Formats: sequence, C-alpha cells, structure tokens
Amino acid sequence: DIQMTQSPSSLSASVGDRVTITCRASQSISSYLNWYQQKPGKAPKLLIYAASSLQSGVPSRFSGSGSGTDFTLTISSLQPEDFATYYCQQSYSTPPVFGQGTKLEIK
Amino acid sequence: EVQLVESGGGLVQPGGSLKLSCAASGFTFSGSAMHWVRQASGKGLEWVGRIRSKANSYATAYAASVKGRFTISRDDSKNTAYLQMNSLKTEDTAVYYCTRPAVYYDILTGYSDNWFDPWGQGTLVTVSS
Repeated sequence: DIQMTQSPSSLSASVGDRVTITCRASQSISSYLNWYQQKPGKAPKLLIYAASSLQSGVPSRFSGSGSGTDFTLTISSLQPEDFATYYCQQSYSTPPVFGQGTKLEIK
Repeated sequence: EVQLVESGGGLVQPGGSLKLSCAASGFTFSGSAMHWVRQASGKGLEWVGRIRSKANSYATAYAASVKGRFTISRDDSKNTAYLQMNSLKTEDTAVYYCTRPAVYYDILTGYSDNWFDPWGQGTLVTVSS
C-alpha cells in the first residue's frame, strides 16, 4: 500500500496568517492527490482534487500544488472558519489511503 | 442535490454483527461505486472498502483490517449501499461514513481520476461488552 505522511501533525496560527500543510507519498502518485477539511462532529468536505483543482464553492484562499511524491495545501489568509483538521488522500491506487491529518488551531 | 444518509449504527458486543445502510439520492446511484470510510474517536480517516457498479461486476475491495469480516453490498432498486459487519472487535468502534467517488474521465487521453464527494453524516458503531 502507498503510505501518506502529513506534516505537521498540528499547527497553531492566527487569523490572517498564510499556512502551508505538506503531504508526502511513499511512491510517485502523479497528481492523484486530494485534500479534505473536517470540522469537529462533521463529515469531511472536499477542498482540492487532482492536486491543484479547487472544488466548486471552496474559497479561493485555498490552493494545492505538487506532483509525484510531494504536495502542499496552502491557505493564503486564515479565516476563523478555517480552523479544522485537514487530510490528504491518494487516489492513485487501491486502497485509497489518507494522511494522518493536520489539526489547525487558533494561536 | 447529491445526498447520502447512513443508518444502522449502535452498540454491539464483541463478536457480534451489525448492518449499516447508506441511502443515496440526487445522482444515478446504479452507475456509481460506493465506499465506506471510518474514523475512531480522535483518530484519522481509514478506508474500509468499496463496491463498484453493475457495469463493473459489483466488484468489491476491502481494507486488510476488515477483510473476511465485513461485506459491502448494494441494492440499486433502493438506491442503497450496505456494510455488513461480522465478528466485530472493540477496535471497530468508530463513526462510519459512506461516500461516493466523483469520477473524471478524459476520453481522448484515457486519463481518469476520482475523489470522495459528498460524504454522509456518519453513523456511530460502538463495540463494547
């Protein structure tokens, strides 16, 4: 199975900050990488698909980049509603493995 | 609007069984694969398994942690997917989500990809004596 490793596991930031979360695959997955946001008690929500495509309705402050084994999710200017846990997920092969998550907390 | 609604969760003793349902609406259910993903309290997301469409022979695949104990099925006439869980262990305690893969396919290049959207609200399964 392909392993997905996110860093950091947790992050403290302030409203207005620029934040970057990294996801690394154990082998090349081309651009088969998706990002999800999850708030407490809620289901995950798709943010970015195919490494860099913004899901409809997601604010443009979210962006994704990368290919091969290294990927990033960037939030250009944190808003209060962005404090949540973020997961990457590879769709290159079965099983579709998720990263362990990055919890974004208010500083 | 695409919607997924899980049901059937509850408290079950170790070694017991439980069957979850996922009712779908707002899209052509019969043409879509369906996946189950679980999340233990305070932990990350773990893929459980999937079932493909009739056109893909209803093929199933499972995570190693549940293979041989869990079975995914579907009833296209009811727009519903199921997760039959047998020989349950305490470590199966989690919120179980169903989700649909949104599929992209480029007929010219043969490129295809998929991502999970949307997700149901989840149903809690607690395995405890």
